[in-house]
Amino acid sequence: AQSVTQLDSQVPVFEEAPVELRCNYSSSVSVYLFWYVQYPNQGLQLLLKYLSGSTLVKGINGFEAEFNKSQTSFHLRKPSVHISDTAEYFCAVSVVDSSYKLIFGSGTRLLVRP
Amino acid sequence: DVKVTQSSRYLVKRTGEKVFLECVQDMDHENMFWYRQDPGLGLRLIYFSYDVKMKEKGDIPEGYSVSREKKERFSLILESASTNQTSMYLCASSSTLGGGNTEAFFGQGTRLTVV
Repeated sequence: AQSVTQLDSQVPVFEEAPVELRCNYSSSVSVYLFWYVQYPNQGLQLLLKYLSGSTLVKGINGFEAEFNKSQTSFHLRKPSVHISDTAEYFCAVSVVDSSYKLIFGSGTRLLVRP
Repeated sequence: DVKVTQSSRYLVKRTGEKVFLECVQDMDHENMFWYRQDPGLGLRLIYFSYDVKMKEKGDIPEGYSVSREKKERFSLILESASTNQTSMYLCASSSTLGGGNTEAFFGQGTRLTVV
């Protein structure tokens, strides 16, 4: 069975500091990988995705992530965060086996302090 | 602008009631999903559908059923609501590429309270 692990439930960071949110997955077959963000009282929106090609993926709002197949990781990074980045971030995996299952991690709450 | 619309933002139902949560997408997507979101547990997959009249159980299907009679509409049914089904319910849709999902689009969510 496939699974997604987000190792940190909450990450506090000061404004303008760099941040990394960690995501590891488990799958015996190829995967597509996603990061979503959820602002308070809103639905989820896509930050970035990896389907194929370059392992370094750039998304919206200055975020990027790197797919590391050997370590089965897809960590999200931003070099300098803003107060407005305070939100919950979810990593997700779609297994490429025509089961069309889309699995999410438990989420990481990013708290940016002034 | 792409859209996934959930019929209600907030619902309050009594224990034992039959509850219908409706979701409509306007993107002609093959796949549709129902998740519940609880603090500390992330999004847990209840059911999903990859075609009209097709459905697959997710990780927590107990106490729920689904219906997909038309491509654009995916309904979640709580046969007999219980207090432990109080949660935020999120609907999503996606298209497919090479056997996997591409980007999923989400509705705004329905916060269901069962009293």
